[in-house]
Amino acid sequence: DIQMTQSPSSLSASVGDRVTITCQASQDISNYLNWYQQKPGKAPKLLIYDASNLETGVPSRFSGSGSGTDFTFTISSLQPEDIATYYCQQYDNLPRTFGQGTKVEIK
Amino acid sequence: QVQLQESGPGLVKPSQTLSLTCTVSGGSISSGSYYWSWIRQPAGKGLEWIGRIYTSGSTNYNPSLKSRVTISVDTSKNQFSLKLSSVTAADTAVYYCAREVTMIASEAFDIWGQGTMVTVSS
Repeated sequence: DIQMTQSPSSLSASVGDRVTITCQASQDISNYLNWYQQKPGKAPKLLIYDASNLETGVPSRFSGSGSGTDFTFTISSLQPEDIATYYCQQYDNLPRTFGQGTKVEIK
Repeated sequence: QVQLQESGPGLVKPSQTLSLTCTVSGGSISSGSYYWSWIRQPAGKGLEWIGRIYTSGSTNYNPSLKSRVTISVDTSKNQFSLKLSSVTAADTAVYYCAREVTMIASEAFDIWGQGTMVTVSS
């Protein structure tokens, strides 16, 4: 299985701050990476696919980059509604695997 | 638009079989290039992919669960189902059904059900 490692596990930032989350794959996955947002008590929501493509309807303050084994997810200006846990997920191989999640809180 | 809804018992006894169904509404389960998947999440933990089925009936399972998992599809009812046998407390989780869309060079879980909590307890 491909292991996905996210960091940090949690972070606290102020409204308007730039927030960055990293995701590292245990082997080269090209750009076969997605990012999801999960709010408490809700199902995950697809934000970014193919490492850097914004899903339709997702605000442009969200972005993703990277390829190979190292990926970055950024919120350019944190908003109160962005409080959630964010997961990366690889689709280079089966089984599909997710990172352990990064919980984003407001300072 | 397409929506998914899980259904099934919320409580299952140890050693028994967990059975869940996902009903697809707003579109045909047979149309398009989609895999229909099951994913679970223990309380306070991350997401674990269980497996998927294509409308042709071909399946893929997580090796960690493969010996206990069966995923099937009923196109006449626009549903797909999960059976997980010999459950233990470790199988207690929120279970999600999800659609995995396959595009030219990408795949993603673009639509999810709301999730259903299943507790394994006597």
